[in-house]
Amino acid sequence: DAGITQSPRYKITETGRQVTLMCHQTWSHSYMFWYRQDLGHGLRLIYYSAAADITDKGEVPDGYVVSRSKTENFPLTLESATRSQTSVYFCASSEVGGSNEQFFGPGTRLTVL
Amino acid sequence: GEDVEQSLFLSVREGDSSVINCTYTDSSSTYLYWYKQEPGAGLQLLTYIFSNMDMKQDQRLTVLLNKKDKHLSLRIADTQTGDSAIYFCAEENYGGSQGNLIFGKGTKLSVKP
Repeated sequence: DAGITQSPRYKITETGRQVTLMCHQTWSHSYMFWYRQDLGHGLRLIYYSAAADITDKGEVPDGYVVSRSKTENFPLTLESATRSQTSVYFCASSEVGGSNEQFFGPGTRLTVL
Repeated sequence: GEDVEQSLFLSVREGDSSVINCTYTDSSSTYLYWYKQEPGAGLQLLTYIFSNMDMKQDQRLTVLLNKKDKHLSLRIADTQTGDSAIYFCAEENYGGSQGNLIFGKGTKLSVKP
C-alpha cells in the first residue's frame, strides 16, 4: 500500500515487557518521526530520523529506542514498558524542502497494564 | 522557549463560521500549518501558509497570519458536522533540527446541528 502505515493498530501489553511498534513509508522520505499523543499534552516528539542510520532524541525519549537501518522503516521499541507509556503513538514522515509537510500514519493505541 | 498555544475547545452551530486561533513563538518559521485529526485517525494537513503571506484562502478555509503578533488563525466558513475534529496549529522548529515541527495541543471543534 502506498503511504505510511503503522502496525499493530492496537496493542495491550504488561509492565516490563518489550514492545516494538512498526512504521513503514513508501515515499522514500528522508525524515521520519515518532510522536505520542496524550490528553492535555497534545503531540510530543519522541525521536526523529533525518536519514537511514541517523536518529536523534526529541522531547520525551526516555524509555524508548529507535533504529533506522532502511529509509522506509522506523521501528520504535519500548524496552521495558511502563504504565506511563500507555498512549497513542503516531509515526510521520517528510521530505525537507518545499513546504516540509509531515505525513502521518493512522496511529497505534498502546495500553500497558 | 518555543511553544505553540491554542484554545482547547470551540463549539459552533452548523452553518456558522468557526475561527480557531493560535499563537507561535519562532519568528523564523518559513511555513505555518494547520492539521486536522478526526476521531481514531492520524493528523492530516489541511493547509499551510508561507510566512511572507498575510492570507491564504482555500475553498471554505481562510488562514490569516499576523507576523508582528505571531498570531495565526483558521476560519472555516459554513461549518458542517463533518468538520468536527481536533485542529492543530504547527510551526517549524529551527531551534532544533530542520524538518521538525512544533505542534500546539489542539483545538477540539464541536459542531452542533
